[in-house]
Amino acid sequence: DAGVTQSPTHLIKTRGQQVTLRCSPKSGHDTVSWYQQALGQGPQFIFQYYEEEERQRGNFPDRFSGHQFPNYSSELNVNALLLGDSALYLCASSFSGQGAFFGQGTRLTVV
Amino acid sequence: SQELEQSPQSLIVQEGKNLTINCTSSKTLYGLYWYKQKYGEGLIFLMMLQKGGEEKSHEKITAKLDEKKQQSSLHITASQPSHAGIYLCGADNGYNFNKFYFGSGTKLNVKP
Repeated sequence: DAGVTQSPTHLIKTRGQQVTLRCSPKSGHDTVSWYQQALGQGPQFIFQYYEEEERQRGNFPDRFSGHQFPNYSSELNVNALLLGDSALYLCASSFSGQGAFFGQGTRLTVV
Repeated sequence: SQELEQSPQSLIVQEGKNLTINCTSSKTLYGLYWYKQKYGEGLIFLMMLQKGGEEKSHEKITAKLDEKKQQSSLHITASQPSHAGIYLCGADNGYNFNKFYFGSGTKLNVKP
């Protein structure tokens, strides 16, 4: 079992650009959540996807959007990147609310 | 929104010493989770506590949940350099949807 896998591991983008991050959940998991972790802080909840729909959303602007595919994998899209979007983006998967397993994260740097 | 406060923010201990990290919630705790994170990496699940008074142990790490105080503690016995990292407590919002709120973390360094 590969666990939760995220790609890419590192990414550098320029302000104003758009970025797509990808997450494959742990086998058997149907729910994917995304978090943003700024340096020195705890992860902040962005949104959660279940049955291909956004089920919950944290306090993030509409520039942050996502998608879940029939195979439960998910994408996080961020438009019009700002310097403040630089962070570690974590994906977590779970099944019916039982536990949460995290991927290794994608380190996004906006220059 | 639920807030979690962790203390201390950072900790440096000599190898072999015991240490405790605390996590206090501003609201009712439905489930309290402890994770460990190496710098810039993903979160490693340590333990989940759901009932007041519950205590769980894994190797030299013990976590307790005090429901009345809305507080959890993580205790490491005979610390080792491998224990170094950032310890994060997280709590769900009670709706079983795993919308976690996290504390800001406790950075632990263990001096050999």
